[in-house]
Amino acid sequence: KQEVTQIPAALSVPEGENLVLNCSFTDSAIYNLQWFRQDPGKGLTSLLLIQSSQREQTSGRLNASLDKSSGRSTLYIAASQPGDSATYLCAVPMDSSYKLIFGSGTRLLVRP
Amino acid sequence: ETGVTQTPRHLVMGMTNKKSLKCEQHLGHNAMYWYKQSAKKPLELMFVYNFKEQTENNSVPSRFSPECPNSSHLFLHLHTLQPEDSALYLCASSQVGTSGGGDTQYFGPGTRLTVL
Repeated sequence: KQEVTQIPAALSVPEGENLVLNCSFTDSAIYNLQWFRQDPGKGLTSLLLIQSSQREQTSGRLNASLDKSSGRSTLYIAASQPGDSATYLCAVPMDSSYKLIFGSGTRLLVRP
Repeated sequence: ETGVTQTPRHLVMGMTNKKSLKCEQHLGHNAMYWYKQSAKKPLELMFVYNFKEQTENNSVPSRFSPECPNSSHLFLHLHTLQPEDSALYLCASSQVGTSGGGDTQYFGPGTRLTVL
């Protein structure tokens, strides 16, 4: 059974810092891995999707890497800003399908 | 309207009430999902409709009843709920290939449900 874990559960950093969020999964036979952002009380916004054949994806100040063999993904946020404050969730498909299993998320606070 | 919309955004109901949540996607996707997000728990997949056929039901209690009349609309009918059902209910959609692989899921803003 696939399990997804995110560390740390919460993170508080001063503005401008570069930071790394971690996601690990128990079954390496994944189809892809997705990173989402969720603002308080809101829905999820897709940030990056990494296919199983890829090692990383970049979008602006965000860079996500994937190491299937070790069951890990990291989300790197460069030059953090207060607007980056949100909960960041990673998710992998159940088996090889499109049904996602989510981690519990990392709650990020970027202090001005 | 663009993306995925959900109504109502907030709902308070008693345990004997019957209500429905509505989701509509304007992205031309062929799969729609209901998720439950409770405090301090990971998002839980409740139901999946792929090509309008329900393909997943993760042991959800029968007091939750989904309906997918077409590929753009998804409902969640609620009846005789319990206080522990209070949560944020999120709808999502995606495009699924014939091989079963999925693309990015797009989420609605959610319905905050409180059961008294």
